[in-house]
Amino acid sequence: DTEVTQTPKHLVMGMTNKKSLKCEQHMGHRAMYWYKQKAKKPPELMFVYSYEKLSINESVPSRFSPECPNSSLLNLHLHALQPEDSALYLCASSQGGQPTYEQYFGPGTRLTVT
Amino acid sequence: KNQVEQSPQSLIILEGKNCTLQCNYTVSPFSNLRWYKQDTGRGPVSLTIMTFSENTKSNGRYTATLDADTKQSSLHITASQLSDSASYICVVSLRDNYGQNFVFGPGTRLSVLP
Repeated sequence: DTEVTQTPKHLVMGMTNKKSLKCEQHMGHRAMYWYKQKAKKPPELMFVYSYEKLSINESVPSRFSPECPNSSLLNLHLHALQPEDSALYLCASSQGGQPTYEQYFGPGTRLTVT
Repeated sequence: KNQVEQSPQSLIILEGKNCTLQCNYTVSPFSNLRWYKQDTGRGPVSLTIMTFSENTKSNGRYTATLDADTKQSSLHITASQLSDSASYICVVSLRDNYGQNFVFGPGTRLSVLP
C-alpha cells in the first residue's frame, strides 16, 4: 500500500466554523507533512511531524492547528479561517525526515472559506 | 538563498511531439533532485529522483538529466500524450539540514492538444 489518503476531498466552511482535515498512511512512514497550495503556485510547507513530534512549523497562523495522534494519522484543525486561506491542502509522508527519502503526496483537500 | 527556477512557465504542444522542461537551482548543500507531475487539483506524483552522481534517469517516456556542475536539470517528454497535460514541478532537497529540506520550483504548466 503506497497510498496517502485525505478526507474530505472538498470542504466549504464559514469564517466562524471549526473543521478538521484528516490524513492517513499505512506505509510505516515516520514523517508526515502538511502543505498549502494556491492556484498555479507550488506547495508551501506548513508543518512537519517526525516520529509523531512537531519538528517544523513554518510560521503558520494559530488558526491552523496540527495534530499527530499516532504514526499513521495526521490532522489539521481549522478555526476562524479567512477567505485567503482557501487553497488545496496537501498531506505527504516519507519514511523518515531526511531528504533522501521520497515524499508521497495525498490527493489533497480543496478548502473554500466563505 | 536556496531557490529553484523553472522554465518555461507554460508550454503548449501537439499530441505526439516531444518537449523539454528546464530547472535551475541554487540550493546548497545539495542532496537530490526530483521531478513531480501534478494534475490539476491532485497531489504531486514523483517521476524521477537523481542524486549528485547521477546525470540521467528515465521513467517510461520521461527522461530527466542533471548537471550538478551548472546546477541545471531537464525533463524530456517523448511522444507526448493528452494525459501528460499537467504541472511539472522540480524539487531540490538539502543535505544535512535540520529545517525545511525541500525547495519547490514554481512548476511548468504543460498542455498537450490533440
